[in-house]
Amino acid sequence: DVKVTQSSRYLVKRTGEKVFLECVQDMDHENMFWYRQDPGLGLRLIYFSYDVKMKEKGDIPEGYSVSREKKERFSLILESASTNQTSMYLCASSFWGADTGELFFGEGSRLTVL
Amino acid sequence: AQKITQTQPGMFVQEKEAVTLDCTYDTSDQSYGLFWYKQPSSGEMIFLIYQGSYDEQNATEGRYSLNFQKARKSANLVISASQLGDSAMYFCAMRDQRNRLAFGKGNQVVVIP
Repeated sequence: DVKVTQSSRYLVKRTGEKVFLECVQDMDHENMFWYRQDPGLGLRLIYFSYDVKMKEKGDIPEGYSVSREKKERFSLILESASTNQTSMYLCASSFWGADTGELFFGEGSRLTVL
Repeated sequence: AQKITQTQPGMFVQEKEAVTLDCTYDTSDQSYGLFWYKQPSSGEMIFLIYQGSYDEQNATEGRYSLNFQKARKSANLVISASQLGDSAMYFCAMRDQRNRLAFGKGNQVVVIP
């Protein structure tokens, strides 16, 4: 089974702190994604990556950056956390050549910024 | 930009009845894919069903079927014989030609015994 693992289920940080959210997948997927989920807004794409050291902005990249130094790992970085970044963050991966492009999700990281 | 619309408010459905969740989409791509995911209260995202834009037949997976009307740009999910475990948030999503998925805002379904 595909497994996408997010390093922290729950985090509490203070405004201005640098925050790292880590995601690792074990199925050699080329594509990796970070989404943010908020009530009433669904899932919104922050960043995605098709390959190592490659990244592209999604719909809401402001205030975020990402890093993909290894194929299996995709990190989301909040350079200076703000209260409006309190949210659930979902990492996902997919296989480039798949018929469907189905996303496999991690369990999510719930971030609270105080 | 792609857009997925799910407009129904929270829904209550009687156990063993069928429920239809509406989803409309907007895209200029010729090739795309449509998905439904389920998110129970535990938070994990569970893939339910997929429909490709060139698939002529509606997709089915067990109790789930996707009513695909391409000309109307709709991809409604039908859950037959609802079970208590079907209580969850349901998300419609569309994959573009670059394999990115855009999601709707979700439909909350509560199955009552």
